[in-house]
Amino acid sequence: EIVLTQSPATLSLSPGERATLSCRASQSVSNFLAWYQQKPGQAPRLLIYDAFNRATGIPARFSGSGSGTDFTLTISSLEPEDSAVYYCQQRANWPLTFGGGTKVEIK
Amino acid sequence: QVHLEQSGTEVKKPGASVKLSCKASGYTFSTHAMHWVRQAPGQGLEWMGWINCGNGDLQYPQKFQGRVTISRDTSTDTVYMELSGLRSEDTAVYYCARNILGGTTDYWGQGTQVTVSS
Repeated sequence: EIVLTQSPATLSLSPGERATLSCRASQSVSNFLAWYQQKPGQAPRLLIYDAFNRATGIPARFSGSGSGTDFTLTISSLEPEDSAVYYCQQRANWPLTFGGGTKVEIK
Repeated sequence: QVHLEQSGTEVKKPGASVKLSCKASGYTFSTHAMHWVRQAPGQGLEWMGWINCGNGDLQYPQKFQGRVTISRDTSTDTVYMELSGLRSEDTAVYYCARNILGGTTDYWGQGTQVTVSS
């Protein structure tokens, strides 16, 4: 199965700063990678699908890039409500797999 | 509007089975597959399988083969997930999630807490 490794484990930044989250796949997933946001006590929410497509209703400050094995989720200017855990997930090969998550803390 | 309503909290003893439900509304049930994903306390997300709600086709990861059964009832637009041989490691929140694009999910249920304890 494809292993997704996310880094860093935790990111602590101030409002207005830029956040850069990484997801690396153990083998190529082409562009079949999604990003989800999960806040405490809530279900995950789809942010980005197929590497760079924003899901419906997702603010423009969220953007995705990458292909093959290296992907990035960028939050251009952090808002307090962006405090959450972010997961990447691949759909290139079965079984579907998720990364271990990056926790974004807002100072 | 799309909504996935999951059944309530379950407490089970080791070795028992649990059957969870996920009732879909706000869209044509048969046009989207449904996934089940679980999350152990303080842990990440783990995919448990999916069902094509139109033709009933199923797929499970090897880890859960033989222990998970996903089914659907098209008369009530409900998907079920049964997990047998429960052990303490199965304590988790279980989510159903609607499929788009062959493996991406757009809407999620609120989650069902399953606790396995003697």
